[in-house]
Amino acid sequence: NAGVMQNPRHLVRRRGQEARLRCSPMKGHSHVYWYRQLPEEGLKFMVYLQKENIIDESGMPKERFSAEFPKEGPSILRIQQVVRGDSAAYFCASSPTDLGRREPQHFGDGTRLSIL
Amino acid sequence: DQQVKQNSPSLSVQEGRISILNCDYTNSMFDYFLWYKKYPAEGPTFLISISSIKDKNEDGRFTVFLNKSAKHLSLHIVPSQPGDSAVYFCAANEHSGNTPLVFGKGTRLSVIA
Repeated sequence: NAGVMQNPRHLVRRRGQEARLRCSPMKGHSHVYWYRQLPEEGLKFMVYLQKENIIDESGMPKERFSAEFPKEGPSILRIQQVVRGDSAAYFCASSPTDLGRREPQHFGDGTRLSIL
Repeated sequence: DQQVKQNSPSLSVQEGRISILNCDYTNSMFDYFLWYKKYPAEGPTFLISISSIKDKNEDGRFTVFLNKSAKHLSLHIVPSQPGDSAVYFCAANEHSGNTPLVFGKGTRLSVIA
């Protein structure tokens, strides 16, 4: 399967716990984006990463949220001390390394986070 | 402040007829526009895109039209099929492909057999 892989598909946490969402980009892609979708809303950009670098985190809440994309392994979106308002679908997308080409971002199937 | 707007939350069309989904944008720096299709419990799937240097792009049953002066684009699906029933998102970004996408809220298309 050469697509964007996200896990887990569903994650349930109690208020105050930590949530870790993982994303493996498509083969040949080194740009990763995280988006959040609230019910009946469009996807909202959170953070854009390349390997070992955060390029743009302007859409990410300043507190409790962090993201990384290490040299080896998947990208991780981490939410500390979760609250009910964090309940949403979190989607990861990736795009190719070649900056000279205009390519669409390809999305994973998302992680549905539910906070009890 | 919504930079990409899809003003119709839903649309119903009979099988075989044309579906027209509309999208307006406010940011004149956007130069790349995309349509994604989304089924429940799945991620958005890329459908078709258009660069601002063009005013039309066609791929099989799907055609996207761009009117830069009106900051408006539309997706035409003809003929519509029941399998086209999904939520369609309009998205845009600027300067290059490797920038965050700005999405509309989506239009739910129902194609009735």
